[in-house]
Amino acid sequence: EIVLTQSPATLSLSPGERATLSCRASQSVTSFLAWYQQKPGQSPRLLIYDASNRATGIPARFSGSGSGTDFTLTISSLEPEDFAVYYCQQRSHWPPFTFGQGTRLEIK
Amino acid sequence: VQLVESGGDVVQPGGSLRLSCAGSGFTFSSYSMNWVRQAPGKGLEWISYVSGSGSSIFYADSVKGRFTISRDNGNNLLHLQMNSLRDDDTAVYYCARFDDSSGYGSWAFDIWGQGTTVTVSS
Repeated sequence: EIVLTQSPATLSLSPGERATLSCRASQSVTSFLAWYQQKPGQSPRLLIYDASNRATGIPARFSGSGSGTDFTLTISSLEPEDFAVYYCQQRSHWPPFTFGQGTRLEIK
Repeated sequence: VQLVESGGDVVQPGGSLRLSCAGSGFTFSSYSMNWVRQAPGKGLEWISYVSGSGSSIFYADSVKGRFTISRDNGNNLLHLQMNSLRDDDTAVYYCARFDDSSGYGSWAFDIWGQGTTVTVSS
């Protein structure tokens, strides 16, 4: 089973700042990695698929990069609605599909 | 495009429960479907997958032998039969569409329901 490790666990930033979230896989997942956003009391929302492709309707300030074992989700300039928990997920070696433990992005 | 779960409840350890997920706004049979759960204050855990036709089914080790996924494409329904429930099955259960219907799909969980809460407690 592929283990995804996200860092940091919590990221404290201010609106307008740049956010960089990391996801590391225990073995290569090539580019088969997705990112999701989850706000309190809501379902997860797909942001990025296949490492760098924005899902439908996702603003351009969200971008993904990486391949192999190291991936990054970048939010170029934080909006108030971006403060949430972010999860990475791999589909390279499944079952099982696995998720990272999440990074909480909080307002500083 | 929408997924709506139902069936969550409070159940005693060792009990059973059946969750359902109704899909609308898309060709249900063209997509694989999944159940993903989230324990209170915890992260996301994938637990089961069924292909569009129902011919391929997979489970996480944590639920294998206790949970059964099924689908009724005629009625656009996904089900999860949960038996021998344990305290650690307490979670919000989401159904999620896997976007594998075409060569241009995201091959990710692109549509999620609002979740239904299962509490296992005596």
